[in-house]
Amino acid sequence: DAKTTQPTSMDCAEGRAANLPCNHSTISGNEYVYWYRQIHSQGPQYIIHGLKNNETNEMASLIITEDRKSSTLILPHATLRDTAVYYCIVKNNQGGKLIFGQGTELSVKP
Amino acid sequence: EPEVTQTPSHQVTQMGQEVILRCVPISNHLYFYWYRQILGQKVEFLVSFYNNEISEKSEIFDDQFSVERPDGSNFTLKIRSTKLEDSAMYFCASSRQGDYEQYFGPGTRLTVT
Repeated sequence: DAKTTQPTSMDCAEGRAANLPCNHSTISGNEYVYWYRQIHSQGPQYIIHGLKNNETNEMASLIITEDRKSSTLILPHATLRDTAVYYCIVKNNQGGKLIFGQGTELSVKP
Repeated sequence: EPEVTQTPSHQVTQMGQEVILRCVPISNHLYFYWYRQILGQKVEFLVSFYNNEISEKSEIFDDQFSVERPDGSNFTLKIRSTKLEDSAMYFCASSRQGDYEQYFGPGTRLTVT
């Protein structure tokens, strides 16, 4: 599975959009980009995933660049409850395991 | 909304004792996983399970660990002889298919003294 690079931490003002970047320059054609988050000491929570098209659900939007070497997770109106560690994970469809990195610690401030 | 549940939420045990951590995956899911997270460290994959057998395991998952699906609803992780370094949060996860998103339980905090 391809390696991902994310900033260690980010701040966002409550009510503003949070844009979390992820680099995955070695991604291969059959690998998906998944985003999970972990609120302090809780189990990781699935957010969204995509292959090459942009995706949106009730939690977030995922923008994947045309070359697929990077992506951005967008939380359109961040709340204090969105404070968490966000993980960008690249995974193929052959095996099920998720390989977590250090993620981005997002702090949403009032 | 269906969710993965885990029991107990916190388990304290003495070194050398056996522990069994329990999980109830989402009912129509076919793939089951265990992960662990040592305090302050990354979430690490332990094992995946499908069709009543292990499909993949990590280096961490040595002979001291075993998994079982004893009935149609429970999925268990057994540690035969616990060590101090087994102290961690253990998360169970399930997915409908191997390439689908995984849903995690709230975790069991294992403390080995």
